[in-house]
Amino acid sequence: DTEVTQTPKHLVMGMTNKKSLKCEQHMGHRAMYWYKQKAKKPPELMFVYSYEKLSINESVPSRFSPECPNSSLLNLHLHALQPEDSALYLCASSQGRSSTDTQYFGPGTRLTVL
Amino acid sequence: KQEVTQIPAALSVPEGENLVLNCSFTDSAIYNLQWFRQDPGKGLTSLLLIQSSQREQTSGRLNASLDKSSGRSTLYIAASQPGDSATYLCAARTGTASKLTFGTGTRLQVTL
Repeated sequence: DTEVTQTPKHLVMGMTNKKSLKCEQHMGHRAMYWYKQKAKKPPELMFVYSYEKLSINESVPSRFSPECPNSSLLNLHLHALQPEDSALYLCASSQGRSSTDTQYFGPGTRLTVL
Repeated sequence: KQEVTQIPAALSVPEGENLVLNCSFTDSAIYNLQWFRQDPGKGLTSLLLIQSSQREQTSGRLNASLDKSSGRSTLYIAASQPGDSATYLCAARTGTASKLTFGTGTRLQVTL
C-alpha cells in the first residue's frame, strides 16, 4: 500500500474560521511533509516532520499550525487565513531514513478562503 | 539556494512520438532527483528517482537520466499516448534535510 490519504478533498472557509486538514499514511513512514501549491506553480515546502518532531519550518506564517500526533497522522490547523492562502495543500510521506527516500504524495485538499 | 527550471513549459505532440523533457538545477550537490506526474487538480505521482551516484533509471516507457556536473536531467517518454497528458515536475533533493525543490513543470498534451 503506497497510499497517502487527505481529508477533506475540498474546503471553503471564511477568514475568521478555524479548520484543520488531515493526512494519513500506513506505510510505516517516519517523515511527513506539508506543501502548498498555487495554480500553475510548483509545490512549495511548508513543514517537515521527522520521527514526529518538526524538523523544517519554511518560515510559514503562524496562522498555519502543523501537528503530528503519531507516526501515521499529520494535521494542519488553520486560523485567520487570508484569501491569498487559497491553494492546493499537499501532504507527502517518506521512509525518513536516508537520502534515497522517495516521497509519496496524497491527492491534496483544495482550500478556498473567502 | 537551489533553483530548478524545466524546458519547455508546454508541449503538444501527436500520439506515438518519442519526446524529451528537460530539467536544469543550479546546485549540483544533490542527493537525488525525482520526476513526478501531476494530473489537473490532483496530487503528485512519483515516476522515477535517480540517486546522485546513478546516471539513469528506467520504468516501462520512461527513462530518466542525470548529469550532475552539468546540472541537468532529462525524462524520455517513448511512444507517447493520450494518457500521458499531464504536467511533469522534476524535483532536486539538496541539503541535509528532506527538502525537495521543484521545477516549474512541463505541461504535456498528447493528441490523437
